[in-house]
Amino acid sequence: EVQLVESGGGLVKPGGSLRLSCEVSGFTFSSYSMNWVRQAPGKGLEWVAYIISSSSYIYYADSVKGRFTISRDNAKNSLYLQMNSLRVEDTGVYYCSKGSTGTWGQGTLVTVSS
Amino acid sequence: DIQMTQSPSSLSASVGDRVTITCQASQDIDNFLNWYQKKPGKAPEVLIYDASTLETGVPSRFSGSGSGTDFTFTISSLQPEDIATYYCQQYDSFPRTFGQGTKVEIK
Repeated sequence: EVQLVESGGGLVKPGGSLRLSCEVSGFTFSSYSMNWVRQAPGKGLEWVAYIISSSSYIYYADSVKGRFTISRDNAKNSLYLQMNSLRVEDTGVYYCSKGSTGTWGQGTLVTVSS
Repeated sequence: DIQMTQSPSSLSASVGDRVTITCQASQDIDNFLNWYQKKPGKAPEVLIYDASTLETGVPSRFSGSGSGTDFTFTISSLQPEDIATYYCQQYDSFPRTFGQGTKVEIK
């Protein structure tokens, strides 16, 4: 069974940092691209970042470029999102997802507030 | 960036009704389109990928069609468990973009 489990969310002050993790099982992680997607409270879905299987291609939404860094460790079946210079508008549930059409995790809540 | 215009933003229908949601891309995306179901507190689930391919295990009352810029998502007979918000998403190019969502309610 394909499983993706996010962790690392929490409450942080504006300007602070958080590192999200997504641990996967049930598929060959090293063969798939991965994404981070978020949903602000009461809002729609917003794609955040993408990383190809080999880490050689990475893309970001303009709203997070220069502040967030996506990475992966294929040996640990894990995906990461380093979030720096956090803003109130970064508040939301962050999901990792497999490939372009695959399963999503249950999400981890990030709250940026003073 | 490719804009995805989804309509309606909400709808109310009776159990057993046929429900249709449309999604228009601002440029040709071939068939690189997903339809997701999102329930509160749960992860989004892909129902349709490649515009018209039903994900394994998804009931056959869900269907998708279209190619290029115009896409349609249909629930042939609305069930109480289908109450959710539905999103289209293009994966033709970056940034990946979603429609604004359609909230489906039971009348």
